[in-house]
Amino acid sequence: DTGVSQNPRHKITKRGQNVTFRCDPISEHNRLYWYRQTLGQGPEFLTYFQNEAQLEKSRLLSDRFSAERPKGSFSTLEIQRTEQGDSAMYLCASSLLQGALGYTFGSGTRLTVV
Amino acid sequence: TQLLEQSPQFLSIQEGENLTVYCNSSSVFSSLQWYRQEPGEGPVLLVTVVTGGEVKKLKRLTFQFGDARKDSSLHITAAQPGDTGLYLCAGPPGGGNKLTFGTGTQLKVEL
Repeated sequence: DTGVSQNPRHKITKRGQNVTFRCDPISEHNRLYWYRQTLGQGPEFLTYFQNEAQLEKSRLLSDRFSAERPKGSFSTLEIQRTEQGDSAMYLCASSLLQGALGYTFGSGTRLTVV
Repeated sequence: TQLLEQSPQFLSIQEGENLTVYCNSSSVFSSLQWYRQEPGEGPVLLVTVVTGGEVKKLKRLTFQFGDARKDSSLHITAAQPGDTGLYLCAGPPGGGNKLTFGTGTQLKVEL
């Protein structure tokens, strides 16, 4: 078990460009979550999947953000027309069905929009 | 308004001291979790508490869930530099599966 894997670890992009991040969860975990975290703050929920179905999206997730989890395995998070305010750490986590009992997080993707 | 408020926000102590971090809410949670996060890494789960009044110990760390399941505390005995990090409490609002995280407590333990 290699845990939750996120790629890339770091991404620097120019304002207005599109970026895509990938998350590979623990294979037997049904649920996959995306969070965003700014320095020194707690993670903020963005969206989550149960298998391939996207069950909930935060109001924080503007139309520029989209997430997919085809075939219920890996997931991608795309940000279109990036803005400086999108700069943050994007964290992926996975869990068994009882997500409330604990998540396993990846190491995150640090996005810097210049 | 944050659903889970942590205090203190920052804590800088000397090695060997004891400390307590608090996580408070006006809402009832079916469970609460504590995570520790190091710079540039994702949070790592330390413990989950599910029963009001529950106390769990993990070596020098003691976690308590309030009787009314609205608050929790983390006590560290004889802190070490390796305890340095961002401590986060988290719980599922409304008993769902997604977690809401607290505001975080940044702990620094110096030699």
